[in-house]
Order: sequence, then structure tokens, then C-alpha cells
Amino acid sequence: DAKTTQPNSMESNEEEPVHLPCNHSTISGTDYIHWYRQLPSQGPEYVIHGLTSNVNNRMASLAIAEDRKSSTLILHRATLRDAAVYYCILRATGNQFYFGTGTSLTVIP
Amino acid sequence: NAGVTQTPKFQVLKTGQSMTLQCAQDMNHNSMYWYRQDPGMGLRLIYYSASEGTTDKGEVPNGYNVSRLNKREFSLRLESAAPSQTSVYFCASNFFPAESSGANVLTFGAGSRLTVL
Repeated sequence: DAKTTQPNSMESNEEEPVHLPCNHSTISGTDYIHWYRQLPSQGPEYVIHGLTSNVNNRMASLAIAEDRKSSTLILHRATLRDAAVYYCILRATGNQFYFGTGTSLTVIP
Repeated sequence: NAGVTQTPKFQVLKTGQSMTLQCAQDMNHNSMYWYRQDPGMGLRLIYYSASEGTTDKGEVPNGYNVSRLNKREFSLRLESAAPSQTSVYFCASNFFPAESSGANVLTFGAGSRLTVL
């Protein structure tokens, strides 16, 4: 199964943009890139996903490298409510989602 | 909508006891999943069910059994609990295959915290 690599932790100042990187060098052509986040003491929640093109939604933007070997989740203005663990996952064939350890984002007031 | 509902939210067991974690979804999803999350770690897939009547092992299936009772419900059973099974358990569901890639995203329950003494 294709794996992802993320930094263990990152910090951001409140109201500043945050760029969360993810490497997925073994991605295959049909793997979708999904991002989820987990707020403290809650289950993970969907953030955004994409295949090849950059994507925007009300929560975030997803920038996908041209070779698809990496992607970046962009939070345009970090708030204290964005403090969470962010997971980058590849949805591979068979509909199985394998989570790594994610990036713990700390937002500094 | 309730989404994905897990019961119980908390449970304490003694080593060797058995119990079943229940999961139900009301979104008409066909696929359901059980994950466990140990302190400071990511989620690991225990079992999944692509559709009613089918189940498959994930990364860490040992010590667990599952039942896909119907389209709505997917239960996880610990036959003889061990301290190593102390964890937070999450159930999730989605559509697969989906008409659109967006319908494929996972919806999670709030989790069931299990302690085995």
C-alpha cells in the first residue's frame, strides 16, 4: 500500500496561513489524496481530497505537485479551532484508508 | 442526521472478559470500518466491510471479530480482552464505489474508549 510521510508537528500563529506538507512518492495513478483532521477527543473529520488538480473548499485548499509525489494542505487563516492532528492519506484500490501518525498543528494566539 | 453512532462511549473490562462494540450509520453507506487509536498514534485499520455480508481483515485484526449485521450496523467483538487492546475505537463508513469521488469520503463516529485491566 502506498504510504505518506508528514512532519510530526508544526506551529502557526493565529490568523496566518499554514502549509502542511505531505510526501507520497509511491502514489499510483488512481490513488486519490485525502486529508482528514482530528480535533482533541473527537473522531477524524474530512477536510479535502483531490486527484491531480488543485482543489478548494470552505475549509482549506489542496495543492498537488505536478508529478503527484507530494501535496500541501493550505489553511488560509489559522484559528485556534484549527489546532488538530492532520492526516494525509491515499485512498487506494479496494477502498482501504490507511492513516499514518499525521501532523500535530499548534496554533499560537 | 446522526451520522455514525457508536456505543458504548466508555467501557472498562477485566482481562479475559468479552464485549461487543456497536456501530450504526444512517447515511445508507455500503462500506463500514473499524479502527483503533493508541495514545499518541494514528489510526490503524482492524477490519472493514465493503458491503453487507462481506468482511475483510485490515492491519491489526488479531484478537477481534466483526459482524456486518445489516447495511446499517457493523459490530466489533473482543472475545477475550487483553490489556494490549486498551485503546480508542473508531467506526467509520462511506460509499464505495461512489458515483463521485466526493461521496467516497469517510464519516467517523465519536469513538469508544476501552480500558482493559
